[in-house]
Amino acid sequence: DAKTTQPPSMDCAEGRAANLPCNHSTISGNEYVYWYRQIHSQGPQYIIHGLKNNETNEMASLIITEDRKSSTLILPHATLRDTAVYYCIVSQGGSEKLVFGKGMKLTVNP
Amino acid sequence: DAGVIQSPRHEVTEMGQEVTLRCKPISGHNSLFWYRQTMMRGLELLIYFNNNVPIDDSGMPEDRFSAKMPNASFSTLKIQPSEPRDSAVYFCASSLALRQAGVEQYFGPGTRLTVT
Repeated sequence: DAKTTQPPSMDCAEGRAANLPCNHSTISGNEYVYWYRQIHSQGPQYIIHGLKNNETNEMASLIITEDRKSSTLILPHATLRDTAVYYCIVSQGGSEKLVFGKGMKLTVNP
Repeated sequence: DAGVIQSPRHEVTEMGQEVTLRCKPISGHNSLFWYRQTMMRGLELLIYFNNNVPIDDSGMPEDRFSAKMPNASFSTLKIQPSEPRDSAVYFCASSLALRQAGVEQYFGPGTRLTVT
């Protein structure tokens, strides 16, 4: 009962912006959108999260559509170190449970 | 800050043996999570604690698995007896839950368990 849908993989050129899509058409009003990534052989790393408004931090920007049924994670200047599996997760507000799906493999090419 | 610390980093054991994985969360965090990752099943939440109390253990696969958190700075995940299908990478994560939404979890480096 996956709550999010991501393409299995994506390529991006080094130095360019990487736009990672996520569909969450059944999201409810109090559910947040989280993004994590996992670089090979490491533990997952938190990137960003949001509810309704667009969010930006030092790692990335999160753009959530007005109807909240989809979102895009933007890495403004992708580097080779951004090659990883990226997970888009929807989780109920106040809940600490995160259900990780298969994620999307981003490969940044030189 | 040292981050979440897990030990051992690698464990190889024989079927039937007891295995204990250890985790030290980030100081000041009040929630702790145990995950398991395999190629077949991906990353699964096994159990999580809040203020040292188990909140949800619905992901614990069977009675062979048990987890404890005797204090705010230490948790163990025990498998007894271990089986080859328990081979996986086990991650511990911690967070600071303040009864507000949008809490990020910080993961440790994981323990790679191989049961032969």
